[in-house]
Amino acid sequence: ETGVTQTPRHLVMGMTNKKSLKCEQHLGHNAMYWYKQSAKKPLELMFVYSLEERVENNSVPSRFSPECPNSSHLFLHLHTLQPEDSALYLCASSQGTGDDQPQHFGDGTRLSIL
Amino acid sequence: DQQVKQNSPSLSVQEGRISILNCDYTNSMFDYFLWYKKYPAEGPTFLISISSIKDKNEDGRFTVFLNKSAKHLSLHIVPSQPGDSAVYFCAASDPSGSARQLTFGSGTQLTVLP
Repeated sequence: ETGVTQTPRHLVMGMTNKKSLKCEQHLGHNAMYWYKQSAKKPLELMFVYSLEERVENNSVPSRFSPECPNSSHLFLHLHTLQPEDSALYLCASSQGTGDDQPQHFGDGTRLSIL
Repeated sequence: DQQVKQNSPSLSVQEGRISILNCDYTNSMFDYFLWYKKYPAEGPTFLISISSIKDKNEDGRFTVFLNKSAKHLSLHIVPSQPGDSAVYFCAASDPSGSARQLTFGSGTQLTVLP
């Protein structure tokens, strides 16, 4: 139990569908992150939220839309995705973004685009 | 171009021996380094970290060494145990920008043989 819970664990969707990934952290952290891990590639940072405000967006396509309603919850809304978006999506949280604080990860959502 | 490189995709070690995992980086702005361990179907788990003001940090069986002049860090596990078999990711943090971001290597699969 990492304290960061992601749902669903697996998701299969068509290119025209709309779905959302959910992340919840129980660690009292105030920063949350979305990462993408494609096959044979390092983790890539997608979004950073600090105190519920987006502070970084690493040039992610607009078909990915994050939402952070409070410091414990983070969503990734998906629409009209492409086959190359099939990957493992990982959520993480940390106590602040400016200090030397390790990020704690959830177990990820394995996304497959048909 | 990858800023954090783990050039060995896999490593096999006998139980009880030392495991040495290596990581090289190119960005001289990185000032905080972390190692994560990942089991199949789980998210990465934070293992140990080191600040650039130190050259060694030890936690039980795990020791991380940092050689800033060579832009190289290594993780030593001694003695290695079969439960240490996992993928190990090196990550580096850059203090510039509005939020610290982690840049990950592509990982090394460690197999500890009984």
